[in-house]
Amino acid sequence: EPEVTQTPSHQVTQMGQEVILRCVPISNHLYFYWYRQILGQKVEFLVSFYNNEISEKSEIFDDQFSVERPDGSNFTLKIRSTKLEDSAMYFCASSEGAITVDTQYFGPGTRLTVL
Amino acid sequence: GENVEQHPSTLSVQEGDSAVIKCTYSDSASNYFPWYKQELGKRPQLIIDIRSNVGEKKDQRIAVTLNKTAKHFSLHITETQPEDSAVYFCASGAAGNKLTFGGGTRVLVKP
Repeated sequence: EPEVTQTPSHQVTQMGQEVILRCVPISNHLYFYWYRQILGQKVEFLVSFYNNEISEKSEIFDDQFSVERPDGSNFTLKIRSTKLEDSAMYFCASSEGAITVDTQYFGPGTRLTVL
Repeated sequence: GENVEQHPSTLSVQEGDSAVIKCTYSDSASNYFPWYKQELGKRPQLIIDIRSNVGEKKDQRIAVTLNKTAKHFSLHITETQPEDSAVYFCASGAAGNKLTFGGGTRVLVKP
């Protein structure tokens, strides 16, 4: 069964550094998402992406964040200047279509630790 | 925006007993309600979902009920087993597709 994959599994960075988190969505899926989960808390929506543009973003997704689909398979989340409070598990998800709300499948996550 | 409340935050049951987790949502436009199971350090795994045109859905030991009028939905796990121990999240979605998650329920099934 196809799965969403993410790299790296764990990223440690210094405050103020840029990080890029990578995701490979399921191949026939058209909608892509990033969520984050601070340790012990709920999963929070960051951004959704369709047809090479952002379709919705949350208030968490400020100017420090950006997303890109650089080629036909990868979907990336960039954090330009990391802060301590960006430490969290970041999950990528994808869904097939959105005529109706569609099932989202989650990747294994990237644990980001900002020191 | 949408707000999803989930109760209880922790639930301890004896193996073989049933577990019930309840969620309420605020946005009447929400029409999709998935449940995810998350084991420690792992991804959320979809276990069952329900759309607003259905009041109940069952898959083996797992069932979900939806009351659109009252804006609440529940997860029922029967004949619980130790491998059901995990954190369970409810979520709601609508046009635009983002999911809003509840706070999670840590379920412990005692053998």
